[in-house]
Amino acid sequence: DADVTQTPRNRITKTGKRIMLECSQTKGHDRMYWYRQDPGLGLRLIYYSFDVKDINKGEISDGYSVSRQAQAKFSLSLESAIPNQTALYFCATNGQGAGANEQFFGPGTRLTVL
Amino acid sequence: GIQVEQSPPDLILQEGANSTLRCNFSDSVNNLQWFHQNPWGQLINLFYIPSGTKQNGRLSATTVATERYSLLYISSSQTTDSGVYFCAVGYNFNKFYFGSGTKLNVKP
Repeated sequence: DADVTQTPRNRITKTGKRIMLECSQTKGHDRMYWYRQDPGLGLRLIYYSFDVKDINKGEISDGYSVSRQAQAKFSLSLESAIPNQTALYFCATNGQGAGANEQFFGPGTRLTVL
Repeated sequence: GIQVEQSPPDLILQEGANSTLRCNFSDSVNNLQWFHQNPWGQLINLFYIPSGTKQNGRLSATTVATERYSLLYISSSQTTDSGVYFCAVGYNFNKFYFGSGTKLNVKP
């Protein structure tokens, strides 16, 4: 089984709809991240969480919210989706301390907002 | 945040050729990773290499942290090497910053 899973893998929605993307991990890591990738660009950080009670905004948090339901689960919500939020969304985790800083990514969710 | 520049932005190779991809970063880092994004969008970890040199088969990477750059070497390229290669850096185990990637096309 994959260490970092994302659901759904693909989603088409309409402008104004609320949508939630979910991420689960079995690596036992405290740190989790949400990124978006636009065509031809690198990944940009939306939100990150260092533990269940610690959530921080990234570079592009406007229009998004997150929930860290448990150490293993980190959800991203678009309260009212708009077309320019069409992108590929990735969840990632990493551990802490020497030798445990490698970041691991989920398979991505391709979101289209019409 | 830390600025990350990757070069070249695009690279076309004939199968069997060698290549070097470069990643420059603007500040001190203690975390650096190279990823390969395949045509299906999946991000594959290649190297975790905040300093030094590592090799894995036909791929190797070198990071010179004091001079703020990292190099990814691909030898004897294959068509399956095609995709986008990303460098990501971070400091003190916090946020990671990605470059815009190098898009590699290996032709048979």
